[in-house]
Amino acid sequence: GAVVSQHPSWVICKSGTSVKIECRSLDFQATTMFWYRQFPKQSLMLMATSNEGSKATYEQGVEKDKFLINHASLTLSTLTVTSAHPEDSSFYICSARPTSGEQYFGPGTRLTVT
Amino acid sequence: AQSVTQPDIHITVSEGASLELRCNYSYGATPYLFWYVQSPGQGLQLLLKYFSGDTLVQGIKGFEAEFKRSQSSFNLRKPSVHWSDAAEYFCAVGRFNDYKLSFGAGTTVTVRA
Repeated sequence: GAVVSQHPSWVICKSGTSVKIECRSLDFQATTMFWYRQFPKQSLMLMATSNEGSKATYEQGVEKDKFLINHASLTLSTLTVTSAHPEDSSFYICSARPTSGEQYFGPGTRLTVT
Repeated sequence: AQSVTQPDIHITVSEGASLELRCNYSYGATPYLFWYVQSPGQGLQLLLKYFSGDTLVQGIKGFEAEFKRSQSSFNLRKPSVHWSDAAEYFCAVGRFNDYKLSFGAGTTVTVRA
């Protein structure tokens, strides 16, 4: 139980385009979903917290207009990187949390912007 | 605000030897503490967690961790490592109210034959 999937697992896009990453909780309802960013050889940095049906809460320094987060249902959250640039290349990991209990992590999405 | 320090960036250990990874946290209330493992290019797998109760926590893959409030530590141990334990290990502290996690910088474990 408590499986979280991400799609795609790997994406390459051209500079200036937008890319959407999906995060799904497959066997539970996720009241809250979190989005993290991880640079090579570094730790996970929390980007934003999203609760179903409400606006995401972004961490300090994260551009909300660049990283659009939507949590439209209790099993799906999406992260859209708008007008992507090479510096946005990173490993993006989501996690999902039911009403009570800990976070369950997805396998991550590798984004490469050329 | 909570924070986590993992003092060791890289540890090399021989297969069959014991392993201890250090973790110190800072948090004003009772912490929720976690250890995760990450293989290259993969997501995070939960090894173990501490919420309350017994301060010695058993996890998967033969790992255990001990919560020491007086030292603000939650060190991870394994008596005998296997080559498959080579990975990146992250300690994290969670907030009581919203489970928002703060991660340490991670410790890379290399296992030599």
